[in-house]
Amino acid sequence: DAKTTQPTSMDCAEGRAANLPCNHSTISGNEYVYWYRQIHSQGPQYIIHGLKNNETNEMASLIITEDRKSSTLILPHATLRDTAVYYCIPRGGSEKLVFGKGMKLTVNP
Amino acid sequence: DADVTQTPRNRITKTGKRIMLECSQTKGHDRMYWYRQDPGLGLRLIYYSFDVKDINKGEISDGYSVSRQAQAKFSLSLESAIPNQTALYFCATSDLHGRAYEQFFGPGTRLTVL
Repeated sequence: DAKTTQPTSMDCAEGRAANLPCNHSTISGNEYVYWYRQIHSQGPQYIIHGLKNNETNEMASLIITEDRKSSTLILPHATLRDTAVYYCIPRGGSEKLVFGKGMKLTVNP
Repeated sequence: DADVTQTPRNRITKTGKRIMLECSQTKGHDRMYWYRQDPGLGLRLIYYSFDVKDINKGEISDGYSVSRQAQAKFSLSLESAIPNQTALYFCATSDLHGRAYEQFFGPGTRLTVL
């Protein structure tokens, strides 16, 4: 599984867009990029995933660079309830979701 | 009602005791997983099951065993609990035929081994 690098933490003002970066320079061709988040010791929650095209759903957008070595999760209008630890997880055919330490996003009023 | 439930939600036990954590799901998914989370760290996979006849070890299976009693039930046992098994335990499910490999997590069981 590819290793990932995320900032330890990030702050964002409520109502503004939150752009969460992730570096996965060793990602292999068959690995998707998954994003999950965990709100204060609750079970992790799936957000979005993608392979090489940009993706959007009701929660977020995912921008993957053309070389696939990095991606950015975008929460277009962050709310206080988006405060959580966000995990960027490359995953191929394995059943494993390898959760690193993630990145703590704090949305401030 | 929650789709993935875990019982108990909190448990305090003593070193050497056998305990069982239970997970039930109403999502009809065939795949189920057990993870543990230590403070400040991400989740680590303990065991996973593709169906009632298929059990697989994950990253950290030593000291744990599992039982898939039915499609909807997957239990985790600690045969002889030790303090470094103090952690937050999560059960998860997934359905290959749904969104590819999206896993749905339960609320967690906080286990303390004294």
